[in-house]
Amino acid sequence: AQSVTQLDSQVPVFEEAPVELRCNYSSSVSVYLFWYVQYPNQGLQLLLKYLSGSTLVKGINGFEAEFNKSQTSFHLRKPSVHISDTAEYFCAVSVKQHGSGNTGKLIFGQGTTLQVKP
Amino acid sequence: DTAVSQTPKYLVTQMGNDKSIKCEQNLGHDTMYWYKQDSKKFLKIMFSYNNKELIINETVPNRFSPKSPDKAHLNLHINSLELGDSAVYFCASSQGLVGEQYFGPGTRLTVT
Repeated sequence: AQSVTQLDSQVPVFEEAPVELRCNYSSSVSVYLFWYVQYPNQGLQLLLKYLSGSTLVKGINGFEAEFNKSQTSFHLRKPSVHISDTAEYFCAVSVKQHGSGNTGKLIFGQGTTLQVKP
Repeated sequence: DTAVSQTPKYLVTQMGNDKSIKCEQNLGHDTMYWYKQDSKKFLKIMFSYNNKELIINETVPNRFSPKSPDKAHLNLHINSLELGDSAVYFCASSQGLVGEQYFGPGTRLTVT
C-alpha cells in the first residue's frame, strides 16, 4: 500500500529566508506527485505536480520541488518566503496505473504548517 | 464563476439527523471526489465518480451515500449523523483520472 510521510509537522521560518518542506512516499509502483497549499478556512490549491519528464518541477508562487526516485522523495522548496506563504502544505501521491487502471485516488501526507515570521 | 462550489459552507446539526452536502463544478470535468478532513487536518478520500460511475468507495460507513445526477454535480448524503462525522468535507474535480484535482472551499460539519 502507498503512504506519504511529511517529516515536519511545523516549520517556523523568518521572512525572506529559504525553506524546504520534506515529503517521502512509499510505493512499490510508479506514482504521480503533488503539493497542495491550504490557507486558513479555505480549500486546497495546487502548487505543483510531477507526472513525468524533468524531475525538477516549478510551481506557482515561486515554489519548486524535485522528484528523487531513488530516495522516494519530493521535497518542496522556496528560496525566499513571504508572510503570505503562511499556510498548511500537503504532499500527495497518486498511483500510476497502466491502461485503464487509474483511479485518481490521492493519498495525502499529514501536512506541514509553515509559519513565516516577520 | 467559482470553479468548484459547495453548499452549505457550515452545517451544524444534532446526532441522528440526516443531512446533505451539495457540490457543483463548472470546469467541464468528468471526475468528482469527496474527501474528509479531520480535526488533525488529515485528508482522506471517501468517494470518486468518473462519468457518473462510482470508481472509489473507500471503506466509508454505508450511512454515507454519494449521488451524481450528472457529471457537474456530486452530492453527499449522510444518514443518522454521529459525533465522529464532525469534520470538513471537501469536494474536488478533475479531467480524467490522472493529474490535478481542483478543490471546493469545504463544508464544515459539526454534529452535536
